[in-house]
Order: sequence, then structure tokens, then C-alpha cells
Amino acid sequence: DAGVIQSPRHEVTEMGQEVTLRCKPISGHDYLFWYRQTMMRGLELLIYFNNNVPIDDSGMPEDRFSAKMPNASFSTLKIQPSEPRDSAVYFCASSLNTLTHERQYFGPGTRLTVT
Amino acid sequence: GQNIDQPTEMTATEGAIVQINCTYQTSGFNGLFWYQQHAGEAPTFLSYNVLDGLEEKGRFSSFLSRSKGYSYLLLKELQMKDSASYLCAVREGSGTYKYIFGTGTRLKVLA
Repeated sequence: DAGVIQSPRHEVTEMGQEVTLRCKPISGHDYLFWYRQTMMRGLELLIYFNNNVPIDDSGMPEDRFSAKMPNASFSTLKIQPSEPRDSAVYFCASSLNTLTHERQYFGPGTRLTVT
Repeated sequence: GQNIDQPTEMTATEGAIVQINCTYQTSGFNGLFWYQQHAGEAPTFLSYNVLDGLEEKGRFSSFLSRSKGYSYLLLKELQMKDSASYLCAVREGSGTYKYIFGTGTRLKVLA
């Protein structure tokens, strides 16, 4: 299995530009999570989907952030307009609904720098 | 409020044993996870506890006390490759897959 795939791996953009991050979860996984990681705040859950439906987006910082999952094999996280404080590593993770414990499989992350 | 506390940094010697503590206060509880994250890489799953007690998996063990809101990760026979950050995470309540992560403990293993 290829694991969770994210693109791009690195993104440098100017303040005010639109940024789109992409994620392909592991085939067959029911849950998809978007996280943001910074030194100050650690790993923060932004939003998660179950069977392509957004379940909890309470972690999304503000209206500039939006996420979609049009099908079971693709999700996007969009920031428009981007600001320097959005600079972070963004991880996508997926997991199975095992009804027991569910480990998350993380993608390699996208390192976003907004200048 | 929701809070997970871990020490920021720890140092230990190759071959030794180290214990990384985690205390949590969350609005619900349905499991505690430990993840390992090497610098510049993604977190990878280490262990899971939902009932009180010790779970052992090779050189790594994890303990949970729900009444105390406390967990620890025990690493034995430390190796240089164990130098990494260790993240404690709590899943809030049944019916939700919302996870709260601590900021992580950076462990340095010295030769």
C-alpha cells in the first residue's frame, strides 16, 4: 500500500494568495483528518470526514479555511487568502472504522510558508 | 477546558530506560494514544490505552490511569534511533473521532 499521499510537499506563497493542499487517503479507510502542526501549538485537528462527509470542523481557524472531500480517494484543504500566520506543516491522516481502537496513518505533510 | 501536558524535552543514555509522562483534562475520554515523530517526518502510531493498566509492546509500554487523568510511555533499552518527539493524544468521548494532541516531548538519546 502506498500510504497516505499528500501534495505538494512544500509550498511557498505570498500573503493574499490562494493555497490548495491535496490528500489521497489509504484505500478503504472511512475517516480522513486534516491537522496543522506548529512549534507553539503542536498538532491541531482542523476537520475530519467520515465517508466523505464533514463531521467536525470546529478546529478550522476561520472562514479563510475550507475543506472538501468530493470522493473517497481525494480531499483538499484550501486557504484563501493566505496569511503569514498560516505557515505550518499540514498533515492529512486516515483511519478505518474498527469500532475498537483506530490508529491513524499520517501522510508526509505539506510544509507551507507564507511570506 | 481541554489540556494535555507533557514535558518539553528529556535526555537519556543509550541502553537506559526512560518514562515520558502525560496528564490530560478533556471534556470526554475514549482512549489515549502515543505517537512517535522523527524530525521532519509524520507521526507514527506506537500504542493505545482505553482501560486502566499497562500495555506492553516490545521495548515500549504504555500505562493509563483514567481516574488520575494520567498516562506514561516507557521506553526500555534505549537506542539512538529512539531520538524523536513523542506525542500523547486523547480521543474525546464516544461517538466522536475528535483527537486532542499534546505538544510532544522531544527525547534525545546520547551515546
